[in-house]
Amino acid sequence: NAGVTQTPKFRVLKTGQSMTLLCAQDMNHEYMYWYRQDPGMGLRLIHYSVGEGTTAKGEVPDGYNVSRLKKQNFLLGLESAAPSQTSVYFCATHQGDYEQYFGPGTRLTVT
Amino acid sequence: GQSLEQPSEVTAVEGAIVQINCTYQTSGFYGLSWYQQHDGGAPTFLSYNALDGLEETGRFSSFLSRSDSYGYLLLQELQMKDSASYFCAVNQAGTALIFGKGTTLSVSS
Repeated sequence: NAGVTQTPKFRVLKTGQSMTLLCAQDMNHEYMYWYRQDPGMGLRLIHYSVGEGTTAKGEVPDGYNVSRLKKQNFLLGLESAAPSQTSVYFCATHQGDYEQYFGPGTRLTVT
Repeated sequence: GQSLEQPSEVTAVEGAIVQINCTYQTSGFYGLSWYQQHDGGAPTFLSYNALDGLEETGRFSSFLSRSDSYGYLLLQELQMKDSASYFCAVNQAGTALIFGKGTTLSVSS
């Protein structure tokens, strides 16, 4: 089992470009989350999903959109990237218990 | 507002015991979790407290006092591999996590 995977691992964007980050899980978990982590800031919740076809806003949703068309995938989109979105993005999943399982992260730089 | 406070850095030597404190102020509280993160890698779950008291898992223990909005992570018999960042996180509404800013633990020989 791969657990939680994220694609890509690294990406450099120019201001105004768009991109989609993919999170895939093979644990059949209902809940999926997107966090961003900035130096000294801990992890902050961007958007989350409680099941296929559902999404909800987290603490810092502005500038991002998400989709959960299939249970195993959770996509995070940046329509017009800004330097303030330079960060490390982590996906996580959760089912039943309190433990969240994190992917390896995507390191995004916006110039 | 919602906030979790934990020390930014802690240093210790191998074999020692260290305690990382966390105080929280959040709307909605189901429990307090602790996560470990090495060198910016994936955070990994360490422990969870929903009720007051101490939970022990090997060398790591976690404590919660709901009345004081306070918890701590206790690491015993420290090893070099314990050098990492440790995050407390409040479980809200049974799903979402609100994280503290993290404590960087440096273990020296």
